Amino acid sequence: GESVGLHLPTLSVQEGDNSIINCAYSNSASDYFIWYKQESGKGPQFIIDIRSNMDKRQGQRVTVLLNKTVKHLSLQIAATQPGDSAVYFCAENTGRRALTFGSGTRLQVQP
Amino acid sequence: DTAVSQTPKYLVTQMGNDKSIKCEQNLGHDTMYWYKQDSKKFLKIMFSYNNKELIINETVPNRFSPKSPDKAHLNLHINSLELGDSAVYFCASSQGGGTGGEQYFGPGTRLTVT
Repeated sequence: GESVGLHLPTLSVQEGDNSIINCAYSNSASDYFIWYKQESGKGPQFIIDIRSNMDKRQGQRVTVLLNKTVKHLSLQIAATQPGDSAVYFCAENTGRRALTFGSGTRLQVQP
Repeated sequence: DTAVSQTPKYLVTQMGNDKSIKCEQNLGHDTMYWYKQDSKKFLKIMFSYNNKELIINETVPNRFSPKSPDKAHLNLHINSLELGDSAVYFCASSQGGGTGGEQYFGPGTRLTVT
């Protein structure tokens, strides 16, 4: 399934399926992007990052894709597990030494 | 061995009071931040300090005053609390550089103003 990270939408997937979470970023000058996972009652936790000179980066079960032409970022989670249920945020850095966060997408994994 | 810690975790207070939230990081980072997360989960930067020097101060009421006694600590003092200050406040740290780098977040302080 897919979702756009606006107004905290919810993406519901079955355990074992692949998840795709999308994000539109705002600043064409942004050169560094991060995906964070926030579980209930906890602070955001780093998942994966990518610099603007790359268009794809893979981690363990996660892949981030960057399309600078349309200012779009996506997070793909393979074989989604119940422990992946959380709110996911994309964040961009415009060189100001602080991150600008997107509005988040809630991922719900159904067992 | 917590990397970024905040106290208290919960803070309930009445309008008009003054309160402080403390943050400490043991990662040796040189940059620390305060973010505010509203009820819709939107995270927004408030302040950023690098080596005890204020480098980002977003449009935040001057009732909010950050204080960095050393580069491992960044405290947030709030005067004359208002209902709209109710939110979760997160402290974060990173190892500087112009691109910000990966930021490590604390567990958050949930402030409720009644």
